[in-house]
Amino acid sequence: DTGVSQDPRHKITKRGQNVTFRCDPISEHNRLYWYRQTLGQGPEFLTYFQNEAQLEKSRLLSDRFSAERPKGSFSTLEIQRTEQGDSAMYLCASSSDGLKEVAKNIQYFGAGTRLSVL
Amino acid sequence: AQSVSQHNHHVILSEAASLELGCNYSYGGTVNLFWYVQYPGQHLQLLLKYFSGDPLVKGIKGFEAEFIKSKFSFNLRKPSVQWSDTAEYFCAVRRYNQGGKLIFGQGTELSVKP
Repeated sequence: DTGVSQDPRHKITKRGQNVTFRCDPISEHNRLYWYRQTLGQGPEFLTYFQNEAQLEKSRLLSDRFSAERPKGSFSTLEIQRTEQGDSAMYLCASSSDGLKEVAKNIQYFGAGTRLSVL
Repeated sequence: AQSVSQHNHHVILSEAASLELGCNYSYGGTVNLFWYVQYPGQHLQLLLKYFSGDPLVKGIKGFEAEFIKSKFSFNLRKPSVQWSDTAEYFCAVRRYNQGGKLIFGQGTELSVKP
């Protein structure tokens, strides 16, 4: 499978616990994005990496959220002290910073990790 | 505030009916425009995109969209829908030279009755 892979697909946790999600992008893609999607809404941007550098973070990304991409390949998104409002689908996408502008802008999405905070 | 608006939250059509889903955005300047589709139980997939040139773009599965710059719109169309088009459709905008992030509309759920 050469698509974007996310693990786990589902996570149920109790309020106050920490959770970590993993995203493996398409292998030749150097850009990686995290989005959050709640029921009835479109995905909302959280943060993005170019290689290992985190270039932009949304104000949605509170201090309890941290994302890393240490070697410019897979990425992790950690939520500390989860709250019920964190319940959502967390989506990862990747794209290529190719020579052509066209290639830079096509993001391919994973299936997401659905988080339920009880 | 920066936004992308999709006018219809839920559209119900019979097979063979024509489809038009509205999308408006509120940014000036150069934008790239996208329609993504999410079939039940599947991940988001790119349906079509507009970067420049001909404002009428064709995508997969017979879908097309028209970029009207003066109206800040990028409406999705299909002349004759099929039951298999039942899905949620998202319009997204990327502002040129504003990083890579996509700004999505809230989505339109399309139900096609056989």
